[in-house]
Parts: sequence; C-alpha cells; structure tokens
Amino acid sequence: DQQVKQNSPSLSVQEGRISILNCDYTNSMFDYFLWYKKYPAEGPTFLISISSIKDKNEDGRFTVFLNKSAKHLSLHIVPSQPGDSAVYFCAAGGSNYKLTFGKGTLLTVNP
Amino acid sequence: KAGVTQTPRYLIKTRGQQVTLSCSPISGHRSVSWYQQTPGQGLQFLFEYFSETQRNKGNFPGRFSGRQFSNSRSEMNVSTLELGDSALYLCASRRRGVEAETQYFGPGTRLLVL
Repeated sequence: DQQVKQNSPSLSVQEGRISILNCDYTNSMFDYFLWYKKYPAEGPTFLISISSIKDKNEDGRFTVFLNKSAKHLSLHIVPSQPGDSAVYFCAAGGSNYKLTFGKGTLLTVNP
Repeated sequence: KAGVTQTPRYLIKTRGQQVTLSCSPISGHRSVSWYQQTPGQGLQFLFEYFSETQRNKGNFPGRFSGRQFSNSRSEMNVSTLELGDSALYLCASRRRGVEAETQYFGPGTRLLVL
C-alpha cells in the first residue's frame, strides 16, 4: 500500500518557467510533509517542509502548497534553473518520526 | 556544522556474508534513522534510534539490525546477505524545525552484493 504517491515519474521544463511537482497521500494522520532533492550517488537534500496545519510555505524560489481535503501537496519552483535538475521526493511524517517517501519525480530544466 | 557522515561510501560483498555500515549524525542530533533506496522500491524506512534505543522499525527481516552508541553514532548490520540487498543505504539525523521534524541525510553507502 503506497501511502505517498508521486504519479509523474518525470517532468521537463524550460529555464525561467515554473516547475510544479505533485504528490498525493492517503494517510490523514500525517503531521508534516517535506520535499527533498536528490542527485545521483548522493543523499537527499532537504528543501522545504510544511506542517499539516498550514496550506502554504515559501522559501526563496520554492513554495509548497498543501490541500488537506484533497490529500495533495505540490512544490512550485519559480523560476526554474538548470541546476534544479534532479530527482525530487516528497515525504510525509507523523508522530513516530518515520518518513514515508514517494518514488520521486525526475525534473529536467532545459537551458 | 558538519553534516551526516557515512562510512564506507562503497562496498562489495558476496551472498551469505555480513556487513556493517556506520553513520555519524550532525553534532547535537540524537536521533538516527536508516533507509534503504532501491530503483524499484524507492526509499524505505528501516529503523530509528534515539538515545541508544530502537524506537521504530520498518518492514524488513531480522537480518537487518542496528544499534546506537552513547555518542549518537549508529551502525547498521545486515547478515546473510542476499542479492536483493544491493542498494543505497542512507542514514539521517533529525532535529525539530519550524514546520516539521526535519531529517538530514548523509551521502549513503552503496552496497553491491554479488
């Protein structure tokens, strides 16, 4: 049972445009959500998080939106840069501190 | 502040052997979690240690075990290795952020079982 789903395995965007990465979850008990960026042969790098009591959090070019009724979150990157090309994972956590990850979306930003 | 470190970075073993991986968390972080990443399954939670006690465990067989020392460093052991254990093993240390309990990952240990 996949509790966190990233339905798009890949996304291609032009430099300067917006990248929107989506994530759906099924467990309403999750307390918080995080986005990570991962390059090959490296560990995931934390990008941004959001508590379940909020619907938006912004950090520079990165904004995460949470729609609890739809059990959906998204990561917006504006403007997209070639260095943003990587695999993006969304993860959800609860009171047991265990993170449940989606399978990732490969973002390619074309110059 | 130094990040999470893992040793070794790469490891080749044969079936039936056992392996021990090491993780040093960010200074001041007391929680260490371990994850396995494979192409087919993504990142899957193995277990979490806090103050030398295992607090949480994922759905992995008993061949996978771990421990944590008083300095918060952690080791993960896999016994009787199988081909399917080939993966990137990641550890993460955790601290409370403004929004969430944020886990910071090390670079991982790439294990290849032949």
